[in-house]
Amino acid sequence: NAGVTQTPKFRVLKTGQSMTLLCAQDMNHEYMYWYRQDPGMGLRLIHYSVGEGTTAKGEVPDGYNVSRLKKQNFLLGLESAAPSQTSVYFCASSSPGQMGNQPQHFGDGTRLSIL
Amino acid sequence: GEDVEQSLFLSVREGDSSVINCTYTDSSSTYLYWYKQEPGAGLQLLTYIFSNMDMKQDQRLTVLLNKKDKHLSLRIADTQTGDSAIYFCAEKEDSGNTPLVFGKGTRLSVIA
Repeated sequence: NAGVTQTPKFRVLKTGQSMTLLCAQDMNHEYMYWYRQDPGMGLRLIHYSVGEGTTAKGEVPDGYNVSRLKKQNFLLGLESAAPSQTSVYFCASSSPGQMGNQPQHFGDGTRLSIL
Repeated sequence: GEDVEQSLFLSVREGDSSVINCTYTDSSSTYLYWYKQEPGAGLQLLTYIFSNMDMKQDQRLTVLLNKKDKHLSLRIADTQTGDSAIYFCAEKEDSGNTPLVFGKGTRLSVIA
């Protein structure tokens, strides 16, 4: 069972470079999320999507863009990487569920360093 | 906005019980969750509780909810070294598409 797969697992970028993080889920989930995790800050929601073709801003969206062209994929883009974006990025997915108790399933994270 | 607070660190001896506490501000929280994060891994759902429940037990895990005080706790009985991890409390307002709100996580260290 693959679940939620994130690629790449590690990446080092120079300031100003761009890159795209890919999240893929094979559970036919409607909802997908991108978080960043920083020491002492917990998880902060960057962007999320409630369905194919729709996206919404989370708590810390600045400097990031997202796209959900296919239901199973959720892409996170950094147009011009900055050192402040050094973080561990987690993707998650979930399904609405009848009782709203469908948990979020998380990927193993992408460790991104911006020099 | 909603806020979820947790203490950052907890240290216990192997075999003792661990109690991780969480408080939240959103009175309309409907679902409350506990996630576990092991080193180098993503978050894994441990258990959840609906706001109309006071307690939920699942093997070594006991969740207590005091809705009046907006206080949630996770008790781990007979704590083992494999329980060392970061534990996140999270709340959700309704059954729709509102995202979870996470606490900052409590790092549990188990001393052998």
